[in-house]
Amino acid sequence: EAEVAQSPRYKITEKSQAVAFWCDPISGHATLYWYRQILGQGPELLVQFQDESVVDDSQLPKDRFSAERLKGVDSTLKIQPAELGDSAMYLCASSLHGNVYNEQFFGPGTRLTVL
Amino acid sequence: AQKITQTQPGMFVQEKEAVTLDCTYDTSDQSYGLFWYKQPSSGEMIFLIYQGSYDEQNATEGRYSLNFQKARKSANLVISASQLGDSAMYFCAMRETFNDYKLSFGAGTTVTVRA
Repeated sequence: EAEVAQSPRYKITEKSQAVAFWCDPISGHATLYWYRQILGQGPELLVQFQDESVVDDSQLPKDRFSAERLKGVDSTLKIQPAELGDSAMYLCASSLHGNVYNEQFFGPGTRLTVL
Repeated sequence: AQKITQTQPGMFVQEKEAVTLDCTYDTSDQSYGLFWYKQPSSGEMIFLIYQGSYDEQNATEGRYSLNFQKARKSANLVISASQLGDSAMYFCAMRETFNDYKLSFGAGTTVTVRA
């Protein structure tokens, strides 16, 4: 069964360091999403790609976060420098396209701890 | 304003019994989709069930059913014959056409199944 892949699964870093997360969506899925989930809360959308283009990054803290999907397939989310408040689960999801009737499939997530 | 409200932070249910998880939503969109996801302690978000705003019948998927009351703007999840493996966090989510199909999540409900 096709799955969304993410790596690493866990990351511990010190504040002010740079971190990067990788996501490989389900083959053929044009839309890719990065979410941040703070402990005890629901996921919050950070950035949405349609193929290689950013559709929505309104909630992405652009002073420290960046995301790219250069060839419209896999994607990287970077944080530089990391802050204590960035400790969270970072989830990647993909869907066939942004149509309202397509569900999103989520990867296993990357759990980030900033010390 | 909160788009998705889940008022039950945590629930206990006896094995083999049914449990209902509440979800109310707020939208002025006519075309929207409602989703339920399960998140075990391992972190991945597992899609459970979907209800479209124009669907006249309540969605069912195995032991999961969605009690959709459009006029009340509620989309409660019913899990029948609870199993120990159902212990997890459950999230209600909505995608709206007006909101560019972005997924808005509730705060979640933790379900603990007791033997």
